[in-house]
Amino acid sequence: NAGVTQTPKFRVLKTGQSMTLLCAQDMNHEYMYWYRQDPGMGLRLIHYSVGEGTTAKGEVPDGYNVSRLKKQNFLLGLESAAPSQTSVYFCASRKRDRYNEQFFGPGTRLTVL
Amino acid sequence: KQEVTQIPAALSVPEGENLVLNCSFTDSAIYNLQWFRQDPGKGLTSLLLIQSSQREQTSGRLNASLDKSSGRSTLYIAASQPGDSATYLCAVGYRDDKIIFGKGTRLHILP
Repeated sequence: NAGVTQTPKFRVLKTGQSMTLLCAQDMNHEYMYWYRQDPGMGLRLIHYSVGEGTTAKGEVPDGYNVSRLKKQNFLLGLESAAPSQTSVYFCASRKRDRYNEQFFGPGTRLTVL
Repeated sequence: KQEVTQIPAALSVPEGENLVLNCSFTDSAIYNLQWFRQDPGKGLTSLLLIQSSQREQTSGRLNASLDKSSGRSTLYIAASQPGDSATYLCAVGYRDDKIIFGKGTRLHILP
């Protein structure tokens, strides 16, 4: 039981490049989330999903897209990376009836030059 | 606006001391409150979860309390150890599935 895993762990991009961050969970959780964590800002919600095939915007969705084609996977895409997207990205998941009981992945550290 | 504030932002204490970390929130209509630990370069590890109907939760040397009416929670760490050094995050959850995170308290236990 690996919990929540994220791929890759680190990445450096140039401005304008694209990439996809992968989040996978093996706990059969319905809800999945993408956050970003910046110094002095705390964690902020980017997008979330309440089930396979559904996604919704969070607090800071601009510049990101997501997809939830399979229940266990939640993808976060950056179509044209900008230096403002340099951050640590965390994925989380939870059971439908367990409010706020999110399990977090180890994070992806992204630098955009 | 829903906000969560953690004070202090950083704290250094000698090993063996008991300490208290504070979390305050502006919207008291919470569903639950969770304390996390985050080690440098790592993800978040859940320490304690308090439901809105509860006053406190305990796990080993950790005790978290909740006072909804005053919008406060505290995390008490007894007999601190160097291994407790980490950043501690408070996360307040609401019924609409919104979670508001504090910015954390960076704790350093001096050997």
